[in-house]
Amino acid sequence: NAGVTQTPKFQVLKTGQSMTLQCAQDMNHEYMSWYRQDPGMGLRLIHYSVGAGITDQGEVPNGYNVSRSTTEDFPLRLLSAAPSQTSVYFCASQRGQGAYEQYFGPGTRLTVT
Amino acid sequence: DAKTTQPTSMDCAEGRAANLPCNHSTISGNEYVYWYRQIHSQGPQYIIHGLKNNETNEMASLIITEDRKSSTLILPHATLRDTAVYYCIVRAPNYGGSQGNLIFGKGTKLSVKP
Repeated sequence: NAGVTQTPKFQVLKTGQSMTLQCAQDMNHEYMSWYRQDPGMGLRLIHYSVGAGITDQGEVPNGYNVSRSTTEDFPLRLLSAAPSQTSVYFCASQRGQGAYEQYFGPGTRLTVT
Repeated sequence: DAKTTQPTSMDCAEGRAANLPCNHSTISGNEYVYWYRQIHSQGPQYIIHGLKNNETNEMASLIITEDRKSSTLILPHATLRDTAVYYCIVRAPNYGGSQGNLIFGKGTKLSVKP
C-alpha cells in the first residue's frame, strides 16, 4: 500500500490564484481530513469527511473548499489564495470515526506571495 | 484549545530512556490518551494509545497514572532517529461530528544527543 499520498510537495502561488491540493489513500479508509501547520504550531483541522459524499468544517475552514466524490480522494481547494494561507498542509485518513490511528501524508508546503 | 500540557523541549542521551510527561487533568472517563510524533518536515506518526492500563508496543510504553490526570511516554532506548516533536492528545473513541478529530497542541521537542 502507498498509504496516504499528497501532491504537489511544494507550491508557490500569487495572491488571488486558485489551486487544488490532492490527497489520496489506498487503504479504503472512511475518514479523511485536512490539517494545516504553521511554523512552531501544532496542526489545525481545516475540513474532514466521514465518508464519500459527506464533508464538514473543522477549526479553520475559511478560504478552503473540499469534496469527497470517492472513498480514495479528498482534494482541498483554495479559491483565492492569500498570504495567510502560507503553511504546510497535511492530509490524513483513518479506518472509521472510531479508529485509533490516523495515517498522515507527507505534506504540501504552500507559499502564497 | 488542547486538553493537554507538555514541556516545550527535552534532551535525552542516545541509548538512554526518554520519558516524556503529559498532563491531562481534565480528561473525561471515556477519553483515551494518544501519542503521535512528527519528525522534521514529515507527517505525524501514531505511536501508542491507552485508556487506563499501561500499554507497550514495539515503539514505546505508555504509563497512565491511576487518577488518569497524567501520563508518561517512554522510549526505552532512544536513538538519534527519535529526535522529533511528540504530541500527547486526548480523545473519545466513539463520537460524531468533529469530536473525534485530533487536537494537536505544540508538543514536546525531544532532542536525542550522541
